[in-house]
Amino acid sequence: SQTIHQWPATLVQPVGSPLSLECTVEGTSNPNLYWYRQAAGRGLQLLFYSVGIGQISSEVPQNLSASRPQDRQFILSSKKLRLSDSGFYLCAWSVPGRYEQYFGPGTRLTVT
Amino acid sequence: AQKITQTQPGMFVQEKEAVTLDCTYDTSDQSYGLFWYKQPSSGEMIFLIYQGSYDEQNATEGRYSLNFQKARKSANLVISASQLGDSAMYFCAMRARNDMRFGAGTRLTVKP
Repeated sequence: SQTIHQWPATLVQPVGSPLSLECTVEGTSNPNLYWYRQAAGRGLQLLFYSVGIGQISSEVPQNLSASRPQDRQFILSSKKLRLSDSGFYLCAWSVPGRYEQYFGPGTRLTVT
Repeated sequence: AQKITQTQPGMFVQEKEAVTLDCTYDTSDQSYGLFWYKQPSSGEMIFLIYQGSYDEQNATEGRYSLNFQKARKSANLVISASQLGDSAMYFCAMRARNDMRFGAGTRLTVKP
């Protein structure tokens, strides 16, 4: 069966520091991968999606970036965090051609 | 642009009763998918049910059913025989091509 991992589970970082969140999927090949952010008490906002290694599409302009160095690995990064980057970051995957997305456990980021 | 609207910020239901969570959507695409996710206090997003835009029958998954009215662009979630463990945030979402949009969510509280 397929599983999706995210780490770390929680993170507290000062403003201006770098960020790296990692997401890996097991049990499937060539998945579509997604990064979402959820602000406190709000719905999810799609940040990036990827249909293959090195292929990244950005939905919202911001100081975050994403990379997909391997088929089942998706990384969310920032060179300099802002207070507004605080939130709950969720990684998701889907089978290409299918609509359903499955989410990881999320990373709760607090920028101080 | 796609849009998802959930007009009920919070709902209460008595244990063992049924409850309907409202969702309306707007899209110009003919092919799309509609989803409901449950988010308990732990934060993970749990996939509940999916309805394709071309599906003629309403989707059902155990105690969950999706009341799909295409002409009215609504995709309400019905939970039958509510249980205390159903208390959570519920998000309606729509996917067309690679664009996934979420509603603001409804907080459901099941009373004993």
